[in-house]
Amino acid sequence: GAVVSQHPSWVICKSGTSVKIECRSLDFQATTMFWYRQFPKQSLMLMATSNEGSKATYEQGVEKDKFLINHASLTLSTLTVTSAHPEDSSFYICSARLQGLNEKLFFGSGTQLSVL
Amino acid sequence: AQSVAQPEDQVNVAEGNPLTVKCTYSVSGNPYLFWYVQYPNRGLQFLLKYITGDNLVKGSYGFEAEFNKSQTSFHLKKPSALVSDSALYFCAVRDLNQAGTALIFGKGTTLSVSS
Repeated sequence: GAVVSQHPSWVICKSGTSVKIECRSLDFQATTMFWYRQFPKQSLMLMATSNEGSKATYEQGVEKDKFLINHASLTLSTLTVTSAHPEDSSFYICSARLQGLNEKLFFGSGTQLSVL
Repeated sequence: AQSVAQPEDQVNVAEGNPLTVKCTYSVSGNPYLFWYVQYPNRGLQFLLKYITGDNLVKGSYGFEAEFNKSQTSFHLKKPSALVSDSALYFCAVRDLNQAGTALIFGKGTTLSVSS
């Protein structure tokens, strides 16, 4: 079945540094990918919708200059947390959309970001 | 606007007993409904979905969900709970007529099954 690979699964970084998270659809082409953020004991909050070859669409309240999203190919989307701060520590999950009559969404395994 | 409500933060059941995790939704058009399960520090695993057709949907690991249009509900059920079912469960929805849009998730319900 379709698989979405998200890397890294966890990362610890110093405050002020940037972190890149990759989301790959391994055996299908995903024209649309979604990035979610999850705070402890809370739901997944949609951050942005990423369409291949175009600029990402950010949800209200999400800083696009802080959370840079690039979807340069049909199988890869990246989320870069720039100048990370402790409040950016969270669990980030990507989702890739498999188009078709029976549309499906597949999720990566998530990335736990801890900013010291 | 689309929204999902999971009224219970936690559901506790004894192993072998039936379980229900509640979900109600709101969409402007026809709903496309999902249930996902999340284990600690892991991504989401798909359980089941409803688009059209039979209101009772069967999914993975013996779970099923019943779509009730009049009550705008999509409760997750299982006839006999297992300890291994203990996890965080998310209900999600999107408008079927808005192709390409993201899922909107409920806040999640922690299921705890005791032996």
